[in-house]
Amino acid sequence: AQKITQTQPGMFVQEKEAVTLDCTYDTSDPSYGLFWYKQPSSGEMIFLIYQGSYDQQNATEGRYSLNFQKARKSANLVISASQLGDSAMYFCAMREAPHTGGFKTIFGAGTRLFVKA
Amino acid sequence: DAGVTQSPTHLIKTRGQQVTLRCSPKSGHDTVSWYQQALGQGPQFIFQYYEEEERQRGNFPDRFSGHQFPNYSSELNVNALLLGDSALYLCASSRRLQETQYFGPGTRLLVL
Repeated sequence: AQKITQTQPGMFVQEKEAVTLDCTYDTSDPSYGLFWYKQPSSGEMIFLIYQGSYDQQNATEGRYSLNFQKARKSANLVISASQLGDSAMYFCAMREAPHTGGFKTIFGAGTRLFVKA
Repeated sequence: DAGVTQSPTHLIKTRGQQVTLRCSPKSGHDTVSWYQQALGQGPQFIFQYYEEEERQRGNFPDRFSGHQFPNYSSELNVNALLLGDSALYLCASSRRLQETQYFGPGTRLLVL
């Protein structure tokens, strides 16, 4: 069965420092997509970054980068130069390729990030 | 360019009642997925609609049903509400089936 695991319930980081949020996944499907979303206290899920299973290079979006290690089935999010506004819940998610004309996306339990001034 | 919109923002119902939540996808998107997020947990996939048909379904009972309209907007219906249905209900849209999903602000449902 497909599974996403985020083992860090909470993380603290000093403002302007980098932080890595861990994510491991399990799937038997060779084609899948990995996502990271940010959820502030307002509740809205904000898309951060995407990595396809066949992508050769790690994805980057501004201060966000995804450290994709396919053999280890890990997709860690790295946030560089943390800002106070980065304090939020962060979810790792996996989407499998369509089998019946649609696809499911499963989410991990999330990591709450606290950025200290 | 309007993003994903959902209505209502908050809703209070009692056990046994029925509820309908609505979602309008981002401009240019034709696929809508619904998620349930209980307090302190990650979102759980309910189902996905594309071309007005349910294309995938998560592990939710038949009390949860949906619909997609020709303009791509969607409704989520929940019958015979239980206390455990209290959650944030998120709608996400994408362009065709495989592209990145963008989420709406959610509807907070409280069942008393």
